[in-house]
Amino acid sequence: DAGVIQSPRHEVTEMGQEVTLRCKPISGHDYLFWYRQTMMRGLELLIYFNNNVPIDDSGMPEDRFSAKMPNASFSTLKIQPSEPRDSAVYFCASSLGTGAAGELFFGEGSRLTVL
Amino acid sequence: AQTVTQSQPEMSVQEAETVTLSCTYDTSENNYYLFWYKQPPSRQMILVIRQEAYKQQNATENRFSVNFQKAAKSFSLKISDSQLGDTAMYFCAFMKPSVSRGKLIFGQGTELSVKP
Repeated sequence: DAGVIQSPRHEVTEMGQEVTLRCKPISGHDYLFWYRQTMMRGLELLIYFNNNVPIDDSGMPEDRFSAKMPNASFSTLKIQPSEPRDSAVYFCASSLGTGAAGELFFGEGSRLTVL
Repeated sequence: AQTVTQSQPEMSVQEAETVTLSCTYDTSENNYYLFWYKQPPSRQMILVIRQEAYKQQNATENRFSVNFQKAAKSFSLKISDSQLGDTAMYFCAFMKPSVSRGKLIFGQGTELSVKP
């Protein structure tokens, strides 16, 4: 079975541009999480969905960030406009609600560099 | 608020030897979960081991085991018979079950190098 698939793997953009990160969770998983990893702040949860519905977006830094999950097999994280401080690795993870609590299956991440 | 602290930014161990990574946490909760996740150079985070706070028995997964000291709020990871493939960043994480099934609070990580 394929794991969590993220794209792009690397993205370099200029300040002010729109960035869209994509995620395909593991088929059948009903939870989807977006995490961000930086040297300064480590790994932090941005938002998570249950059955395509956003449950907790308290980690989203500001209005420039938005996330959607239009169906069970696809989610996007959008940054508009992007800023240099958004440079980070963004991870998508999915899990099964009936599985072991806290067992997340992560993608390989999208490394974003904003110049 | 819960916090997770890993006081060893870097560690190294010789292949086939044993190494212990430290983690402490702070919480007022009585029931919670603790985890060790591994992040190899490929970047993909992988769950290594999981401990439920209400279980007194320490979790083990093959060469990986934990020493869970609830009163001391300590959760160390022991890797036995270290292999080159164990080279990675290791993150300790905490989760309150009442909040969500995946809202993890991570420590800053320990970079482990296994030397041949």
